[in-house]
Amino acid sequence: GDSVTQMEGPVTLSEEAFLTINCTYTATGYPSLFWYVQYPGEGLQLLLKATKADDKGSNKGFEATYRKETTSFHLEKGSVQVSDSAVYFCAPSIGGTPLVFGKGTRLSVIA
Amino acid sequence: DGGITQSPKYLFRKEGQNVTLSCEQNLNHDAMYWYRQDPGQGLRLIYYSQIVNDFQKGDIAEGYSVSREKKESFPLTVTSAQKNPTAFYLCASSIEGGREAFFGQGTRLTVV
Repeated sequence: GDSVTQMEGPVTLSEEAFLTINCTYTATGYPSLFWYVQYPGEGLQLLLKATKADDKGSNKGFEATYRKETTSFHLEKGSVQVSDSAVYFCAPSIGGTPLVFGKGTRLSVIA
Repeated sequence: DGGITQSPKYLFRKEGQNVTLSCEQNLNHDAMYWYRQDPGQGLRLIYYSQIVNDFQKGDIAEGYSVSREKKESFPLTVTSAQKNPTAFYLCASSIEGGREAFFGQGTRLTVV
């Protein structure tokens, strides 16, 4: 079945540092790929998405590129802020099936 | 405003009691989902429904039940058969299965 592996956390960075959170997936076919963010005590919010190979999703300074050859969708941000502290989830989906979520990566950004 | 609403935000129940968590959406979405979140385990799928009057078990359906009598509503019942019900429960919906999902704010259930 489909599955996703995310980089283990927690990740602690200083403000303005570069962020990478790795995500690889296994899936038959051509999944859509999503990154979600969860702030403390809240539900998940869609951060960005990509629906086909080589697409780049971007939002709020975050980016991720759909790499079919390496089955990866790594999340990056050039300069993190304290307000980016949250848990980040990678999720692939084949059409018609529910999203499969990674275990999440907790990011803490310190001033 | 369109969205997905879960209620209540916090719920306390005694062991052995059934409890029903509410989930309502006004996004006109066909698909709805229930996930359970435990620390360090990410989200696990309990049940999902792709259309009214139809639903399927997810990875951890034992001890849970659902209904989908209306497009807008997908309530989850946590029964006394669920051995470890204390968790954070998240409801989500999408326009159709496999598309981006929109989440509610979650219900934190504590069983004492």
